[in-house]
Amino acid sequence: GAVVSQHPSWVICKSGTSVKIECRSLDFQATTMFWYRQFPKQSLMLMATSNEGSKATYEQGVEKDKFLINHASLTLSTLTVTSAHPEDSSFYICSAGNLKEYGYTFGSGTRLTVV
Amino acid sequence: AQSVTQPDIHITVSEGASLELRCNYSYGATPYLFWYVQSPGQGLQLLLKYFSGDTLVQGIKGFEAEFKRSQSSFNLRKPSVHWSDAAEYFCAVARRNNNDMRFGAGTRLTVKP
Repeated sequence: GAVVSQHPSWVICKSGTSVKIECRSLDFQATTMFWYRQFPKQSLMLMATSNEGSKATYEQGVEKDKFLINHASLTLSTLTVTSAHPEDSSFYICSAGNLKEYGYTFGSGTRLTVV
Repeated sequence: AQSVTQPDIHITVSEGASLELRCNYSYGATPYLFWYVQSPGQGLQLLLKYFSGDTLVQGIKGFEAEFKRSQSSFNLRKPSVHWSDAAEYFCAVARRNNNDMRFGAGTRLTVKP
């Protein structure tokens, strides 16, 4: 149980376009999901907490207009990178689950390359 | 400031040797503690976690970790490393009154034949 699916696993887009990344909880309901960004050979940095039915909570320094988060249902959160630029190229990972029961489960990540 | 520190960026051990990866945290109260492993280009897999109780925690793949309150540490150990253990290891914490999870910088493990 506690499977988190992330899609797509990789995407290449042109500068100025927008890209949507999906994070789904397959066998449980997630009122909260988390979005992380990981640069090559670095750690995961929490970008935002996605809350079902309400606004996401962004970490300091994360542009909420650049990284739009929507959590419209109990099984789906989306991260949209708007007007992408090469510096947005990164590995994006989502997570969800029951912290106190089994910790969080992570998606397999999305490699975004902006050219 | 609250933080989680993994002092070792890269560790190399021989196959069959023992392993210890260090993790220290700085939080007002003991947080929930986790160890995750990440293979290149992949997501994260939970190895083990500590919430309360027995300070020696057993995880998957033969890993264990020991919580030491006096040292604010949660070091990961394995008695005999296998080549397939080569990966990036992350220590993570989550405050008890706030469910967001924060990660250490990670330790890259290389296993020599």
